[in-house]
Amino acid sequence: SQTIHQWPATLVQPVGSPLSLECTVEGTSNPNLYWYRQAAGRGLQLLFYSVGIGQISSEVPQNLSASRPQDRQFILSSKKLLLSDSGFYLCAWSPPLGRYEQYFGPGTRLTVT
Amino acid sequence: GNSVTQMEGPVTLSEEAFLTINCTYTATGYPSLFWYVQYPGEGLQLLLKATKADDKGSNKGFEATYRKETTSFHLEKGSVQVSDSAVYFCALSGSTKGTYKYIFGTGTRLKVLA
Repeated sequence: SQTIHQWPATLVQPVGSPLSLECTVEGTSNPNLYWYRQAAGRGLQLLFYSVGIGQISSEVPQNLSASRPQDRQFILSSKKLLLSDSGFYLCAWSPPLGRYEQYFGPGTRLTVT
Repeated sequence: GNSVTQMEGPVTLSEEAFLTINCTYTATGYPSLFWYVQYPGEGLQLLLKATKADDKGSNKGFEATYRKETTSFHLEKGSVQVSDSAVYFCALSGSTKGTYKYIFGTGTRLKVLA
């Protein structure tokens, strides 16, 4: 069966510090991968999605970047965090051909102080 | 473009009450429709899905029917429990310029009182 992991689970970082969040998927090949951000009490905002290694699409201009160095690894990064980067970050995967459901990781709670 | 609209929360019910959370969508073509549930501090879990018109998705006593004529996918449960307290998201997967994109509603918080 497929499993999706995210780490760390929680993170407190000062403004201006770098960020690296990691997501890995097990039990499937060539998944589509997604990063979302959820602000407190709000819905989901799609940040990035990837259909293959090195292929990243950005949905909104922002202070973040994403990379996919391996088929089942998706990394969210920032060089300098802003207060507005605080939130709950969710990674998700789906089968490659569309129309199917997404499966979400447990999330990372990021607080920028 | 594609969009999902779901009812504002919070919804507060007594245990064993009937639940309806409304969801309507706008999409070209034939999207797949989903309901996800999020418990506090956790990621989203798929609750149920429907991939074509008139399909009924069901799971854990929850049901939703894909109604193309009304572009709706309302979530229902006959008798809610305290453990159903969570945030519920309606979502669709539809093709936009050859790429499938997922669109989520803003979420509806359900609180069930004992």
